[in-house]
Amino acid sequence: GDSVTQMEGPVTLSEEACLTINCTYTATGYPSLFWYVQYPGEGLQLLLKATKADDKGSNKGFEATYRKETTSFHLEKGSVQVSDSAVYFCALRSAGGTSYGKLTFGQGTILTVHP
Amino acid sequence: GAVVSQHPSWVICKSGTSVKIECRSLDFQATTMFWYRQFPKQSLMLMATSNEGSKATYEQGVEKDKFLINHASLTLSTLTVTSAHPEDSSFYICSASSALTGSDEQYFGPGTRLTVT
Repeated sequence: GDSVTQMEGPVTLSEEACLTINCTYTATGYPSLFWYVQYPGEGLQLLLKATKADDKGSNKGFEATYRKETTSFHLEKGSVQVSDSAVYFCALRSAGGTSYGKLTFGQGTILTVHP
Repeated sequence: GAVVSQHPSWVICKSGTSVKIECRSLDFQATTMFWYRQFPKQSLMLMATSNEGSKATYEQGVEKDKFLINHASLTLSTLTVTSAHPEDSSFYICSASSALTGSDEQYFGPGTRLTVT
């Protein structure tokens, strides 16, 4: 079955440091890939997504590139801010699912950014 | 963006009682709602998918008679944990999507913490 493995945390960085959170997946076909962010006390929000190989999703300074050859979708940001402190989830939606099909999530990575 | 609320945000109940959790889409019509369960430091696990007016589709290993899901309107779905036991203690999260908008994005609620004593 489908699975997502992401870098275990917690990750602690100083403001303006570079961030990479690794995410790899196992799925048949060409799944859609997502990064969700959960700020304290709030629900998960879609951060970015990519629907086909070599697509790059980007939002709020974060980027991730869909790499079919390495089955990866690593999240990167060049300069993190304190406000980026949150839990980040990598997820995929199987290509075989319906348009409103289920998501398979990684275990989440807690990011804490200090001033 | 679309807003999904859950009520209550946390609940403590005694073993053997039933608990109902509500999931509401506040500013859009949710044709599909999803219920997830999250254990500490673990991933979200999909429990079931419900389409408005239809019976829910449960994931393998999820007891449909224990976790009753109702999606009677386009803005409300409920999850009832029947005869709750301590092992049912968890964080329950719902999400909603709408086939009416042309977008396939799921919008998540903030979650409900259930503790069974």
